[in-house]
Formats: sequence, structure tokens, C-alpha cells
Amino acid sequence: GQNIDQPTEMTATEGAIVQINCTYQTSGFNGLFWYQQHAGEAPTFLSYNVLDGLEEKGRFSSFLSRSKGYSYLLLKELQMKDSASYLCACMDSNYQLIWGAGTKLIIKP
Amino acid sequence: DTAVSQTPKYLVTQMGNDKSIKCEQNLGHDTMYWYKQDSKKFLKIMFSYNNKELIINETVPNRFSPKSPDKAHLNLHINSLELGDSAVYFCASSQDGGAVTGELFFGEGSRLTVL
Repeated sequence: GQNIDQPTEMTATEGAIVQINCTYQTSGFNGLFWYQQHAGEAPTFLSYNVLDGLEEKGRFSSFLSRSKGYSYLLLKELQMKDSASYLCACMDSNYQLIWGAGTKLIIKP
Repeated sequence: DTAVSQTPKYLVTQMGNDKSIKCEQNLGHDTMYWYKQDSKKFLKIMFSYNNKELIINETVPNRFSPKSPDKAHLNLHINSLELGDSAVYFCASSQDGGAVTGELFFGEGSRLTVL
């Protein structure tokens, strides 16, 4: 079956760096996505990786290793507003998005 | 000027009732979706419409019926509501069925509580 695994919850300190991991098993692969979802709000798109390597976008970076079925989202210079859930999603061979349950990130001062 | 808007945002109703949630997008996208996010926070695809044609229907009970009067609207109608239908329902849209970038634009969600 298809499966996306990511930690349920992580805690980090304001100003620090945190890495959120995601492993996936899907039938085919057409890209991996990270979305941010603040409590009570809609998910918003953060990043898209389809080739191996690191994609940097400001304070956020996303890494992909297709051979390992692995991705991570790296958040630098953490701010209180980064407290949210981070959803990993994989697009399978039918271009359907398979979603993980999300990682709740708690930022402490 | 909200990109994807859905109404109502909150809905509380009794078991057995019929209810509808409306969704509109002004992005000119050709594909719209309905997702259900349950208490465990998994986002599960329910339906997607591309140019008014249903292209995904993921083992959703036939009590749920999507209705798309045009490509800017995708409404969700639910008959005979059950307790297990309580969840947040998100409408979303994308261009080219998300095949190019996979980027979805979500509405704010409609929290349905069935008593």
C-alpha cells in the first residue's frame, strides 16, 4: 500500500534550526510536496521536489532522495509564527497526492 | 478577492439531516477538489472535478455528492448525515490537475459537527 510517515510532533526553540523528516512508499513518484497548516487554517504550499537534492527558499529548504524514499524540510532562524503543522505529500504515478498526517511543530521562546 | 472561498465555515447539525457546502475559486483553475480532514489530521481526497467531469471518487459513500455548475464552483451535498461525517472539509483547486507542480490552493475549510 501507499504510505507517508512523518513524526507526530516536534519542539524547537526560537532562533534555532529544525529538520522534519518524511519517508514515503507510493506506486510511482511524480514529486514530493511540503505544506504548512496553521491551526484552524487551510494548508498552504511550501515546496516541491521532483529531483534529488536540496531546494532552498528563504528560511525554508526541502531535500529529496528518491532512492531512499526520503525527504526533509529544514527550517532556519525559527520564529514563533512557524508554529504549525507541516504536511508531507507525495504525488503517485496517477498524479494523485498521498498525504501524511502532518508534524506539529511547537516553537518555544 | 479570496482565491478559494467556501461556505459555511462552521456547520452544526443533527444526524439524519441533509446539508451542503459551497465552494468557489476565482483563479481560473481547471480542477477542483474536496478533501476531508478528520481528527487525526489526515487529508483524504473525496472528489475532484476537471472541466465539469468527475475524475476521482475515492470510495466515498454515495451519501456524498459533488455538484459543479461550472468550472469555478464545486459544491458538496451530504445526505443523511452520520456522526462519523464530523470533520473539516476543504475545497481546493489546481491548474492542469496538479500534474505540473502539484500545487493546490485550499479554501479555509468548513468544520462540520454532527450531533
